[in-house]
Amino acid sequence: DSGVTQTPKHLITATGQRVTLRCSPRSGDLSVYWYQQSLDQGLQFLIQYYNGEERAKGNILERFSAQQFPDLHSELNLSSLELGDSALYFCASSVISGQSTEAFFGQGTRLTVV
Amino acid sequence: DAKTTQPNSMESNEEEPVHLPCNHSTISGTDYIHWYRQLPSQGPEYVIHGLTSNVNNRMASLAIAEDRKSSTLILHRATLRDAAVYYCILISGNTPLVFGKGTRLSVIA
Repeated sequence: DSGVTQTPKHLITATGQRVTLRCSPRSGDLSVYWYQQSLDQGLQFLIQYYNGEERAKGNILERFSAQQFPDLHSELNLSSLELGDSALYFCASSVISGQSTEAFFGQGTRLTVV
Repeated sequence: DAKTTQPNSMESNEEEPVHLPCNHSTISGTDYIHWYRQLPSQGPEYVIHGLTSNVNNRMASLAIAEDRKSSTLILHRATLRDAAVYYCILISGNTPLVFGKGTRLSVIA
């Protein structure tokens, strides 16, 4: 158990809908990262937050947004969903962001768009 | 623009050592070398990291070349549980973890 909690574990929704994925980081971790992993695709970095502020942006679509709340949990909002958005979404957390810190990953949310 | 190069796949026999190579010829002086692995149907997990010196922990060893242009992750006795995709990642400053394609390790009983 990494200490990072993601909910829900599974989500099935229709095209055009909007969903919210939630991540609770390990206690004390200030940095949260979001990743997308499609079938047979690698892990794509989406976005990073540090202590409530956006720190880095990767390949995140405009239809997607995220935020980190004062209690440090984070939410990833996916809107106008398309079939191609079906994927595993991982959240990770670390104490700080930086080269000498390790990140801990949750078990992921499997999103299926039908 | 991949900063690291790893073989797509490797195979090992159970209970034998495994050496997973990673080339990073454009590494800068401030880049740390991190290794993560992803077991089937799980999130990635941290394995080890280092800067210049070789590192050991309970999971693995990391051997870093003197010129730092390559490194090797060493699993001393592969088990079936070690079958996973292994990622070698360079991190500098506050850059986030960006995963490449990694090496898929198969372990044969």
